[in-house]
Amino acid sequence: DADVTQTPRNRITKTGKRIMLECSQTKGHDRMYWYRQDPGLGLRLIYYSFDVKDINKGEISDGYSVSRQAQAKFSLSLESAIPNQTALYFCATSDTYANYGYTFGSGTRLTVV
Amino acid sequence: QKEVEQNSGPLSVPEGAIASLNCTYSDRVSQSFFWYRQYSGKSPELIMSIYSNGDKEDGRFTAQLNKASQYVSLLIRDSQPSDSATYLCAVNQGGKLIFGQGTELSVKP
Repeated sequence: DADVTQTPRNRITKTGKRIMLECSQTKGHDRMYWYRQDPGLGLRLIYYSFDVKDINKGEISDGYSVSRQAQAKFSLSLESAIPNQTALYFCATSDTYANYGYTFGSGTRLTVV
Repeated sequence: QKEVEQNSGPLSVPEGAIASLNCTYSDRVSQSFFWYRQYSGKSPELIMSIYSNGDKEDGRFTAQLNKASQYVSLLIRDSQPSDSATYLCAVNQGGKLIFGQGTELSVKP
């Protein structure tokens, strides 16, 4: 099994719908991150969590919310999806100081029509 | 000035050549540096990490770090078409990675 698992892998949804992307990890890491990636724009940080009670906004948090249900689970929600949220979404994890970098999940390709 | 800068490319090299990828960063106190490889539509994969000035070699890959000049580079020797991907430089700032935009590498047979 993968160390960082994202579900679903692909999703097509309609404008205005609420959608949740899920991430779970078996690394035992305390830190978890959500990124989106668009062609030519690199990885952009949406939200990050340093532990269950510590959640922080990233550079592009508008239109998104998160929930850290347990150390191993970190979900990203789009409350009312819009077409410009069509992107590739990645969850990542790290240990406390990220001294060994991040471990990424396989990604979720989200299309909002 | 962006915190971590890379040439976006594309960088095109012939098969068997050395590919040189460069990255500069702005935070002088950064202590750990990473190179990720990302194939189109796939997740970034860690290929090299470097923590001290100088070179670190792993197979065909060599990472180079110069903290005084605030740059990190990745050399790929004997480049193969399978090395064609986007390479992301990441710098650890305060326990969080800051990513560059990535350099697209194309290795032509």
